[in-house]
Amino acid sequence: KNEVEQSPQNLTAQEGEFITINCSYSVGISALHWLQQHPGGGIVSLFMLSSGKKKHGRLIATINIQEKHSSLHITASHPRDSAVYICAVRSMDSNYQLIWGAGTKLIIKP
Amino acid sequence: KAGVTQTPRYLIKTRGQQVTLSCSPISGHRSVSWYQQTPGQGLQFLFEYFSETQRNKGNFPGRFSGRQFSNSRSEMNVSTLELGDSALYLCASSPDGRVRNTGELFFGEGSRLTVL
Repeated sequence: KNEVEQSPQNLTAQEGEFITINCSYSVGISALHWLQQHPGGGIVSLFMLSSGKKKHGRLIATINIQEKHSSLHITASHPRDSAVYICAVRSMDSNYQLIWGAGTKLIIKP
Repeated sequence: KAGVTQTPRYLIKTRGQQVTLSCSPISGHRSVSWYQQTPGQGLQFLFEYFSETQRNKGNFPGRFSGRQFSNSRSEMNVSTLELGDSALYLCASSPDGRVRNTGELFFGEGSRLTVL
């Protein structure tokens, strides 16, 4: 079993829909990262969380340390949100190495 | 503030050759990590450096090596290239502080290596 599991693997939605991407992990962590990668593009950091909730524009990230779970929400989704969203955790069990989820490929149709 | 700079952006090599990739982190960042990205495998961790010391290493063969210089610039080297080494190699820098690994990640655009 992977130490970081993302769901769903693929998600297609209509413009305007509320999007939720989930990340579950099985290790002790010092921080959790959400990142975005557009096709053929570089990787951009969206959020770094160690507790609670953060919001940036239409993006909201939450983390529940007790349940070892984080969610990334996109409100009023837009075709330009189409990208791969990646969750990564800093594992205290592995010398603070970053452990990566497989990514969620999101397609927003106009 | 300049971002993370990786050079070269694209390169083509043949099997058996070796390659060196460079990463210049954001000014003031002392933590640099390297990743290999292939379509089938996603992001695979290679190494992480902090203040010229290798802090973590991924599960790659000894043909993959790296180092970090006193100005925080980092290089990675792949010797005896194989076809399977064709990938996008990404570098990330982080403003790691006194409390370890608490910094946000900033990625370069990557170096795309093709091995023929």
